[in-house]
Amino acid sequence: AQSVTQPDIHITVSEGASLELRCNYSYGATPYLFWYVQSPGQGLQLLLKYFSGDTLVQGIKGFEAEFKRSQSSFNLRKPSVHWSDAAEYFCAVQGGTIKAAGNKLTFGGGTRVLVKP
Amino acid sequence: DAGVTQSPTHLIKTRGQHVTLRCSPISGHKSVSWYQQVLGQGPQFIFQYYEKEERGRGNFPDRFSARQFPNYSSELNVNALLLGDSALYLCASSLDQNEKLFFGSGTQLSVL
Repeated sequence: AQSVTQPDIHITVSEGASLELRCNYSYGATPYLFWYVQSPGQGLQLLLKYFSGDTLVQGIKGFEAEFKRSQSSFNLRKPSVHWSDAAEYFCAVQGGTIKAAGNKLTFGGGTRVLVKP
Repeated sequence: DAGVTQSPTHLIKTRGQHVTLRCSPISGHKSVSWYQQVLGQGPQFIFQYYEKEERGRGNFPDRFSARQFPNYSSELNVNALLLGDSALYLCASSLDQNEKLFFGSGTQLSVL
């Protein structure tokens, strides 16, 4: 069964500094990988996704993520954080061929990002 | 255009009661999925429905059930509520069963 681990529960970063959130997945084949953001009291918003091709994926709000098969990782990065980036971030995996899995997602436990002025 | 709408936004129940949560997908979307998000954890998949049929079920007891109506809206029912059922219940819709998910803001259920 697939699983996702986000090792960092909380990260505090200064506004304007860079941010990197770690995500490790466990899956036997090539996974489909996602990053979502959740603001307090809100649902989940998709930041970016990786299905195949270029391992560096660009998303919304200036985020990018890099798929590294050898490390089973899909880390999220942003060069310069804004106060509005304070939120909870979730990495997710969708296993197998899309048709076999439907679009069921397995989420990590999340990383809460705090932004200092 | 309206996004995924869920009702109610907040709900308080007592142990042993039954609850029904409602979800209206984005217009044109035929698939609805339900997720449970316990405080401090990531969402967990409960059900997926497509064209009114169950297409996937997560590791939840039979107290959890759902259905999808001809207009593609959906209900999640939970019987014999336990304290541990307290969570944010998220609904997500997609064009079909394999496409990108769009999440609603959720229903916060508190079981006392």
